[in-house]
Amino acid sequence: NAGVTQTPKFQVLKTGQSMTLQCAQDMNHEYMSWYRQDPGMGLRLIHYSVGAGITDQGEVPNGYNVSRSTTEDFPLRLLSAAPSQTSVYFCASSLKAGGTYEQYFGPGTRLTVT
Amino acid sequence: GENVEQHPSTLSVQEGDSAVIKCTYSDSASNYFPWYKQELGKRPQLIIDIRSNVGEKKDQRIAVTLNKTAKHFSLHITETQPEDSAVYFCAATGGSYIPTFGRGTSLIVHP
Repeated sequence: NAGVTQTPKFQVLKTGQSMTLQCAQDMNHEYMSWYRQDPGMGLRLIHYSVGAGITDQGEVPNGYNVSRSTTEDFPLRLLSAAPSQTSVYFCASSLKAGGTYEQYFGPGTRLTVT
Repeated sequence: GENVEQHPSTLSVQEGDSAVIKCTYSDSASNYFPWYKQELGKRPQLIIDIRSNVGEKKDQRIAVTLNKTAKHFSLHITETQPEDSAVYFCAATGGSYIPTFGRGTSLIVHP
């Protein structure tokens, strides 16, 4: 199993550009999430999905869109990049099994918006 | 929604000392409390977790305690080693099955 994969690993965007961060998992997990990590701010939830076709907003959803057409994939779209979106982005998946919801994180994408 | 507070933000100890990180949560419906370790440049990884029907759990040098009444839970690391240096995150998970994370504690273990 590859686990959770993310592409790209690094990205530089200019203000106003759009792009999609890719996330895929091969563990057949129902739940998938996107977090952003900024210094001193911990991991803040952007959007999440509890299954194919179902998405919901997290704590910081503005400026981002998601869709979940398959169990495996959960892309994150930046509509019009802003310098405030400079961050490290982590995708995670989890399986509701036995009442624990361990998050399996991808390797992260470091995004810089100039 | 859930709110998780984590303290301290930075913890510096000598090798062999114990380290304690404390978290509080706000939603009494939360029932699963994991702890993640993130080494520099790496992804967070689960190191230990506890469910709401358990008061304490131990795994070698690390232990977690939970006080549901006070909505407190803590991570204890004994006999710290330089390789324990990392950022540690607590989290609380309830009905949405998606955790809310604390802001993290940077643990520095000096040889």
